[in-house]
Formats: sequence, structure tokens, C-alpha cells
Amino acid sequence: QKEVEQNSGPLSVPEGAIASLNCTYSDRGSQSFFWYRQYSGKSPELIMSIYSNGDKEDGRFTAQLNKASQYVSLLIRDSQPSDSATYLCAARRAVGGSQGNLIFGKGTKLSVKP
Amino acid sequence: DTGVSQNPRHKITKRGQNVTFRCDPISEHNRLYWYRQTLGQGPEFLTYFQNEAQLEKSRLLSDRFSAERPKGSFSTLEIQRTEQGDSAMYLCASSLPARGAFFGQGTRLTVV
Repeated sequence: QKEVEQNSGPLSVPEGAIASLNCTYSDRGSQSFFWYRQYSGKSPELIMSIYSNGDKEDGRFTAQLNKASQYVSLLIRDSQPSDSATYLCAARRAVGGSQGNLIFGKGTKLSVKP
Repeated sequence: DTGVSQNPRHKITKRGQNVTFRCDPISEHNRLYWYRQTLGQGPEFLTYFQNEAQLEKSRLLSDRFSAERPKGSFSTLEIQRTEQGDSAMYLCASSLPARGAFFGQGTRLTVV
């Protein structure tokens, strides 16, 4: 079982709709979670961080964390064609009680159709 | 520019040659990470440092790969006796200990 799993997609949504991206992780000790956006040929860009159960909103983005279910999600409201990219979920592993390295999923490709 | 800087941006090398990449992190970040990414895959963890100490190295990483971070500032990643399977984008990132990491633009390696 991979440590961080994402549906590879592609996920296609119409412009203006809500895009919902999901991620599960296997290490129960993971403490912090991140969403990155990666355009084709570019490096990943950090867009959201979440550290506690519940929702965290930043503009059109909402990250949701449920540690009991080991589940992280990202909602993008009012999706725009410029949101078309691959979205990577990452979990920071807990190592001996401290914060370890970042493990990434394979990413979900999102396509927003005009 | 105060972001993560990687050099070179592109490297083409013949199989069997050694290559070295450099990463300059964001100055106040004490953590530095190396990842490798191939088409359609997420970044694959290689190794990371806290200050000058190498805290973890992927078990999947061949002995041909070595990384250093002297004085806890910039880092180098060396690949010895390159193979065609080493062709990938090599990404460096830096962070504060419990925060998200910021990536450089990457070094694209092509082994011919």
C-alpha cells in the first residue's frame, strides 16, 4: 500500500463548478498535510497546508482533514480554466515523535472546461 | 530572488558519467529535500537534511546517489555512473521543520 494515495484522474469539471480532489494516507502518525499544484513542465507550488481536523479556507480553496478516516480533500470553488493542472497531496511523516519528510501522492490531473 | 534556486536547469550526460546538481534553499529554511520526478508520477523522496545533518535517505536510493549539505547552507546531489533510468527531473525543496516545502525549478537530467 502506497503511503499517500490519490485518484490519478483525469477529473474534468465545467468552468464555474466545484472541483473535489481526494487523498488518503496510511501513516496514522502523520501530523501535517499539504496540497500542491503542478502545471505541466513546472515544479510543484504549495497552495494549502492543513494541520488539524476540519476545514481550512483560503480564497477559492478549502482543504478538509479527517485524521480518524486518514482522509484529506481539496475543494476548488468557481473553477477556472487556469486551475487545470495536476494536484499533489503530501503528508509529513512522523518519525520518532518529530516531523519527518514529505511523502507525495501521484497526483490528480484536473481539467476545467470553458 | 529569495526562492529555492537549482543549477543547472538542464543536464545531458552520457551513460556512465558522473553528474552533480546544486540547490540553494530559502535562507531561513533549515530543512532541505531532494526528490526525483518522472512523467505522470508524484515527486519521489530521495533524501533530506536538517541543517547539515542528513536525517533520512530513501531505501530505494542506489549507492550511486550521494548528497551533501556542508555548513547547512546549499546542497549538492551527485549521481555516479549514470544510467538511462536516472533520466528524470530532480527537484530540491526547503522548509521550516513543520511547514510546507517550497520547490526550486528543478534540474532535468537526460542520460543518453
